[in-house]
Amino acid sequence: NAGVTQTPKFRVLKTGQSMTLLCAQDMNHEYMYWYRQDPGMGLRLIHYSVGEGTTAKGEVPDGYNVSRLKKQNFLLGLESAAPSQTSVYFCASSYRVAGRANQPQHFGDGTRLSIL
Amino acid sequence: AQSVSQHNHHVILSEAASLELGCNYSYGGTVNLFWYVQYPGQHLQLLLKYFSGDPLVKGIKGFEAEFIKSKFSFNLRKPSVQWSDTAEYFCAVTATPDSNYQLIWGAGTKLIIKP
Repeated sequence: NAGVTQTPKFRVLKTGQSMTLLCAQDMNHEYMYWYRQDPGMGLRLIHYSVGEGTTAKGEVPDGYNVSRLKKQNFLLGLESAAPSQTSVYFCASSYRVAGRANQPQHFGDGTRLSIL
Repeated sequence: AQSVSQHNHHVILSEAASLELGCNYSYGGTVNLFWYVQYPGQHLQLLLKYFSGDPLVKGIKGFEAEFIKSKFSFNLRKPSVQWSDTAEYFCAVTATPDSNYQLIWGAGTKLIIKP
């Protein structure tokens, strides 16, 4: 049972380059999330999706774009990478229960991204 | 805006010591509360959650947390820690419905257990 899978696990980019991080979940979850984790700041939500074809901005969306063309996949794109985007990126997913608030999120192993 | 505070950024304990990690949130309405743990080099895992009912919640690996609504707190406790509890612990809150069901995260507490 794979759960949430993120690719790649590590990447080094030069300033100005673009790349896409892939998140795939096999739990049929409706909700998916992209976070960045920086020392002393916990997790900050970049973008999220409440279903296929829908996305929304989180706390720190600038410089990132996302797409959710298929329910199981959530892509995070960096159009023009900047050193400030050096971070560890986590994808998460959760299921929706009618009438209940946020269900526990399941996390991937993270992508360590360095921008030089 | 809602916020979550974890006052202790680093905690160092010896094995068998008792643990209490503080978590306070700022929201006066209905909340759902979570503690997650991140072991070195691993992803975050759910430790325990509170949605409603008994304010004393028991989680995995002997952890528990108590929701005290009047204090806006959800502190994590363990009577006797082990070396394997070395990890970073995150408190998270959903302030329903104002936060649109998104989690608001604390900055985390790094716990180091000395053998």
